[in-house]
Parts: sequence; C-alpha cells; structure tokens
Amino acid sequence: KNEVEQSPQNLTAQEGEFITINCSYSVGISALHWLQQHPGGGIVSLFMLSSGKKKHGRLIATINIQEKHSSLHITASHPRDSAVYICAVWGTSGSRLTFGEGTQLTVNP
Amino acid sequence: GAGVSQSPRYKVAKRGQDVALRCDPISGHVSLFWYQQALGQGPEFLTYFQNEAQLDKSGLPSDRFFAERPEGSVSTLKIQRTQQEDSAVYLCASTQRGTRGANVLTFGAGSRLTVL
Repeated sequence: KNEVEQSPQNLTAQEGEFITINCSYSVGISALHWLQQHPGGGIVSLFMLSSGKKKHGRLIATINIQEKHSSLHITASHPRDSAVYICAVWGTSGSRLTFGEGTQLTVNP
Repeated sequence: GAGVSQSPRYKVAKRGQDVALRCDPISGHVSLFWYQQALGQGPEFLTYFQNEAQLDKSGLPSDRFFAERPEGSVSTLKIQRTQQEDSAVYLCASTQRGTRGANVLTFGAGSRLTVL
C-alpha cells in the first residue's frame, strides 16, 4: 500500500463543473503539498498546508489531520485546468516529500 | 536566477553510456532535491542536499547513480552505465531554507532521459 494515495486516478469533466480530487496518507506529516504538472514535466506548487483550508482563486485545498485526508477542489473548471494534480506529504522529519501517483484531470469545453 | 533551471531538457543515451544532468537552483536556496519520475507515475525521491552536504541519498536506486553539489549551488546527477529502466524524467527542486520543517518547493522543468 502506498503511503500517499489519490483518487480518482483519472477525471474527465465538462467546463464549469466543480471538481474534487482526494488524497489519503498513512504516515505522520508536517505538511501536505498540492502540485500541478502540465505536459512536458513542469511542476508548480499550488498549496502547502498543515491544517484547515486555503483558497487561491478558483482553487481550494482542505486538510483533516485526524483523518489523514486532504481534498483539492476546483470551482468553475476550465479547459486550462487540464493537468496532472499531485498530492505530496512532508514526513515529520521534514527531509523528503512522498508523492501520490497523481490525478489526470481533463476538462472539456 | 528566477527559477530552477535544468539541462539538458532531453537526453537520449545508448545503453551503457554515462550521462550527467545539471540543476541550477534559485540563487541562495539552501536545500536541493532530486526526484525520478517514470512515465505515468508520481515522482520518487532520489537524494537531498543542504548546501554542499548530501544529507540523504537513500533514494538512489543503485551505485550507478551519483549526485554532487560541490559549492552548494549547482548540482549534477550522474548516471553511469545507463540501463533502459533509467528512462524517466529527472526533476530537481530547491527550497530557501533547510528542511527541518516543511518548505514550499520550486521545481525545475525536468530532464527527460531516454535510454535505448
């Protein structure tokens, strides 16, 4: 069993839909990242959070430390949101990130 | 520089050839990480530097993999006698501080290695 699991693996949505991507982890963490990866490899950090909720534009990330679960929400989705979304956790020692396998999101116009 | 720069962006090597991948982190960033990302997979940790010190190399898959950061800035990941299973995107990331505690990472665009 992976230490970080994401669901779904693939998600196809119509433009304008509300999207949720889930991440569960099994280890103690100091923080959790949500990352976006576009074709060609570049990774962008969207959020780093250790409690509660963060919002940036149409993106919202939440984390429940007790349940070891985080969600990434995209409101009013757009085709440009199409990318791989990756959840990654900093372990309590803080010296490495452990990544989930990613969720491929495709938003159709 | 403004971001993390990696070179080459694409490298095709014949099996058995040695390759060197370069990472130029954001100026002043203390910590530098290398990750390996196979096709369709999430990145896997390879190694971590704090300044010039390699504090964790537990993710290096074999002794054919070697990384250095001699002056605490630019880092090179070297793969000797490449094998087909080494084909992957090699990602470099840096953070401003040492990593006792989580940090926001800035990633490079990656070096895509294909071993024929």
